Amino acid sequence: EIVLTQSPGTLSLSPGERATLSCRASQSVSSSYLAWYQQKPGQAPRLLIYGASSRATGIPDRFSGSGSGTDFTLTISRLEPEDFAVYYCQQYGSLFTFGPGTKVDIK
Amino acid sequence: QLQLQESGPGLVKPSETLSLTCTVSGGSISSSSYYWGWIRQPPGKGLEWIGSIYYSGSTYYNPSLKSRVTISVDTSKNQFSLKLSSVTAADTAVYYCASRIVVVPAAMPYDYWGQGTLVTVSS
Repeated sequence: EIVLTQSPGTLSLSPGERATLSCRASQSVSSSYLAWYQQKPGQAPRLLIYGASSRATGIPDRFSGSGSGTDFTLTISRLEPEDFAVYYCQQYGSLFTFGPGTKVDIK
Repeated sequence: QLQLQESGPGLVKPSETLSLTCTVSGGSISSSSYYWGWIRQPPGKGLEWIGSIYYSGSTYYNPSLKSRVTISVDTSKNQFSLKLSSVTAADTAVYYCASRIVVVPAAMPYDYWGQGTLVTVSS
């Protein structure tokens, strides 16, 4: 089983700032089958990024993903008020596993 | 656009079987274009993939839950279902049904999700 670790656990930032979230896998994620989801309280997760760097339909271009192998990054270039949420990475190359999440909260 | 809706009891007794159904609209459960899956989230915690099914009946389960999980499809009702046996308090969670598109030869993550339903295991 591929185990995903996310850091930091919590990121406290102000609107307009840049957010950089990390996801590390215990072994290489095949074909960069790595996704990022955003989840707000009481809502289902929303797919942001798939294939490590492709934005899902309707996702603003301030969200970008990068990385390969075992190290992946989600970057939010300028935080909007609606971006404060929990973000999960997920690998889907070998069944499915999720990381524990990074909470982005308002500083 | 696909829409998914979970339904089932909100309270299940320990040692019993949890049963949930996901009704699909905006698409056919028999389509070769989608995989259907279940994911859960204990209160205040992270996400855990439970398993998935293809229209053909092929299933894939989380190894940690495999001995207790059954996922099936009912094409006549455009639904798929989850059964989790021998539940304990640790199975208390919001249960989501979700779908992911088939893009041969690549793989895709879940992109359509239901709103989720809370199932509490308690006597």
